[in-house]
Amino acid sequence: GAVVSQHPSRVICKSGTSVKIECRSLDFQATTMFWYRQFPKQSLMLMATSNEGSKATYEQGVEKDKFLINHASLTLSTLTVTSAHPEDSSFYICSARVARFETKNTEAFFGQGTRLTVV
Amino acid sequence: DAKTTQPPSMDCAEGRAANLPCNHSTISGNEYVYWYRQIHSQGPQYIIHGLKNNETNEMASLIITEDRKSSTLILPHATLRDTAVYYCIVRVRSGGSNYKLTFGKGTLLTVNP
Repeated sequence: GAVVSQHPSRVICKSGTSVKIECRSLDFQATTMFWYRQFPKQSLMLMATSNEGSKATYEQGVEKDKFLINHASLTLSTLTVTSAHPEDSSFYICSARVARFETKNTEAFFGQGTRLTVV
Repeated sequence: DAKTTQPPSMDCAEGRAANLPCNHSTISGNEYVYWYRQIHSQGPQYIIHGLKNNETNEMASLIITEDRKSSTLILPHATLRDTAVYYCIVRVRSGGSNYKLTFGKGTLLTVNP
């Protein structure tokens, strides 16, 4: 159990276009989902935290108008990179936290990541 | 959340135990120690977590010192597939909407044949 699925796993887009990445919790309800970005040879950097039905909380330095996050249901969160530029090329990873009334041996599960390349 | 310190890299021979250290000298009494690993180009994978007692599961063992200022993750019989970056994270277990995991640089474990 506790599977988080990200789609697509890899995407190439042109500069100026927008790209949507989906994150789904397949067998549990996630009250909170997190979006991370990882540049080559660096650690994961948290971009934002989203709670179902409310606005996302962005980390300092992350543009909320550029990285649109929607968490419309307990099993789906989306990250849209708007007006993508080559410097947005990165590995984007989502994480989902189980609802507090579920008993698991960990709280956070990660998707397999999305490799975004902007050309 | 408390800061952690890990060696940037370690090597281990296949079949041997891999012992990965982590220092967290500023850990608070209600903070847990979590370990995740990230195999190249994949999302992080949960390994184990603990508060003050040693823990063991099917993947690894976690040894936490009595003063809780450091811990060691033990992979009892490392395989080539255990080559990954291992992250030690300390944080409170609950936290409601403020829950989040902050990743440091981790330790790159290379298991050699």
